[in-house]
Amino acid sequence: KQEVTQIPAALSVPEGENLVLNCSFTDSAIYNLQWFRQDPGKGLTSLLLIQSSQREQTSGRLNASLDKSSGRSTLYIAASQPGDSATYLCAVRTGSARQLTFGSGTQLTVLP
Amino acid sequence: DTGVSQDPRHKITKRGQNVTFRCDPISEHNRLYWYRQTLGQGPEFLTYFQNEAQLEKSRLLSDRFSAERPKGSFSTLEIQRTEQGDSAMYLCASTKIATNEKLFFGSGTQLSVL
Repeated sequence: KQEVTQIPAALSVPEGENLVLNCSFTDSAIYNLQWFRQDPGKGLTSLLLIQSSQREQTSGRLNASLDKSSGRSTLYIAASQPGDSATYLCAVRTGSARQLTFGSGTQLTVLP
Repeated sequence: DTGVSQDPRHKITKRGQNVTFRCDPISEHNRLYWYRQTLGQGPEFLTYFQNEAQLEKSRLLSDRFSAERPKGSFSTLEIQRTEQGDSAMYLCASTKIATNEKLFFGSGTQLSVL
């Protein structure tokens, strides 16, 4: 059974800092991995999707990497802003399964 | 493209009552998913539809839960005889059958069972 872990559970940084969020998964037979952002009381917004054959994806100040063999992904946020404050969730689709398995998220606070 | 719409946004009910939630996916999306999220946790998969066919159900989906997607358009999730443990955010997501199948989520229905 796939298990996804995100560390740390919470992170507080000053504005302008570069930061890395971590995600690990137990079953390396993934189809793809997605990073989502969730604001309090809201749904999820997809940030980046990495296929199993890819090593990284970039969108603006965000860069996600994937190392299938070690079961890890990182989300790098450059020059953080207070508007980046949210919970960031990692999710994997494993093998032929259609559903995503989510981590518990990292709650990020960027202080002005 | 108006996004995934869920109704209601909030629902407060008494234990033992039945509740029904509705999800309207993005119009051309043929896959629709239901997830449940409790405070401080990531969403957990409940069930998914491809067009009108319900293709998979999680063990989390007890016999008190039923979902439908008539005509492959909107979907409903009904919970019968609600229990306090059903209190959670119920999220709907949709996607188009494609290589990457990026998921688009609605804002969710927050259920509180008193």
